[in-house]
Amino acid sequence: GAVVSQHPSRVICKSGTSVKIECRSLDFQATTMFWYRQFPKQSLMLMATSNEGSKATYEQGVEKDKFLINHASLTLSTLTVTSAHPEDSSFYICSARLGQTTQNQPQHFGDGTRLSIL
Amino acid sequence: AQSVAQPEDQVNVAEGNPLTVKCTYSVSGNPYLFWYVQYPNRGLQFLLKYITGDNLVKGSYGFEAEFNKSQTSFHLKKPSALVSDSALYFCAVRDFGGDTGGFKTIFGAGTRLFVKA
Repeated sequence: GAVVSQHPSRVICKSGTSVKIECRSLDFQATTMFWYRQFPKQSLMLMATSNEGSKATYEQGVEKDKFLINHASLTLSTLTVTSAHPEDSSFYICSARLGQTTQNQPQHFGDGTRLSIL
Repeated sequence: AQSVAQPEDQVNVAEGNPLTVKCTYSVSGNPYLFWYVQYPNRGLQFLLKYITGDNLVKGSYGFEAEFNKSQTSFHLKKPSALVSDSALYFCAVRDFGGDTGGFKTIFGAGTRLFVKA
């Protein structure tokens, strides 16, 4: 159980285009979803936390207008990288957790999306 | 401030030998601690968690971790390593983000485990 599906797994596109990444919880309702960015040989950097039906909360230094997050349902959150540039190339990972304030539940992760901007 | 430290970038162990991946933490209240594993080009997989209760926590794939309050450590262990255990391991602590949106998880920098046949 607790499967999180992330799509696409890999995307290559030209500079200036926008890219949408989907994150779905397949067998549970994810009140809270997280978006991370992982640089090579580094740990995960939390970009934003989103709760279903409300605006995402972005971490300091993350551009809200650049990384648009939508969490319209309990099973789907999307991250759109707008007007992507080569410096946005990275591995993006989503995570979902059952419950908004359930402290002791682990986060379940998608397999990540490798984004390459040419 | 809450933090997680994984002092070793890399751990090498021979197959069949016991392995330990170290983690220390700093929290203001009761710690909620987690271990995750990441295989190449994949997301993270949950291994185990400590919330309360027994200090020795058993998790997936034969892994276990021992919570040591006095040493503020939560080292990951396995009695007999397998080559397939080779991966990147992350320790994490649940932190209250305050104005940034409730509870969130802080990850250590990761430790790469190499198990040689």
